[in-house]
Amino acid sequence: AQSVTQLGSHVSVSEGALVLLRCNYSSSVPPYLFWYVQYPNQGLQLLLKYTSAATLVKGINDFEAEFKKSETSFHLTKPSAHMSDAAEYFCAVSGAGGTSYGKLTFGQGTILTVHP
Amino acid sequence: DAGVIQSPRHEVTEMGQEVTLRCKPISGHNSLFWYRQTMMRGLELLIYFNNNVPIDDSGMPEDRFSAKMPNASFSTLKIQPSEPRDSAVYFCASSALQGYTEQFFGPGTRLTVL
Repeated sequence: AQSVTQLGSHVSVSEGALVLLRCNYSSSVPPYLFWYVQYPNQGLQLLLKYTSAATLVKGINDFEAEFKKSETSFHLTKPSAHMSDAAEYFCAVSGAGGTSYGKLTFGQGTILTVHP
Repeated sequence: DAGVIQSPRHEVTEMGQEVTLRCKPISGHNSLFWYRQTMMRGLELLIYFNNNVPIDDSGMPEDRFSAKMPNASFSTLKIQPSEPRDSAVYFCASSALQGYTEQFFGPGTRLTVL
């Protein structure tokens, strides 16, 4: 079975500060990992994905994430927060086989607040 | 590309009524997913289809929920009878291939059962 834990349901940063959103996963096989963002009253949209290529993945809006197998982590970072980054962020892991193949298991989400 | 289309965007109904949510996936995508999002339980996968065939419905909460995909461009999620605890945002998502390609989400249907 796959699972995802997002550490911190709320993260607050100042505009221009580093953003760090934490995600740890559990998987018995090499995972595919995703970060999605959800703005208020909208669906989820993909920020970036890891599919066993480069361990440092770059996404949209200057977000990036690093896959660390030894730490079973896939933390999301952005060097400088903008007000427009305020949203809820979800880490997700994709199943690797059988009936779980293609299923996304989501973390509980982290709400990012950006202060002026 | 129009993206994933869901209708209605908002639905308010009374307990006991039948509710039907609709989804049109992105053209060419062969996997379709139904999710439910609530404050208490977060995002839950209800069911998914591959090539119009239900692959995994283990997330469907109970027999009151049913989903169909009669063709590659249309799916429905039906709740009969509806209950207040079904109030949530229901998302449909589609993907081109399973696994390493991302799922594209629709805008969701906000369901309120009074």
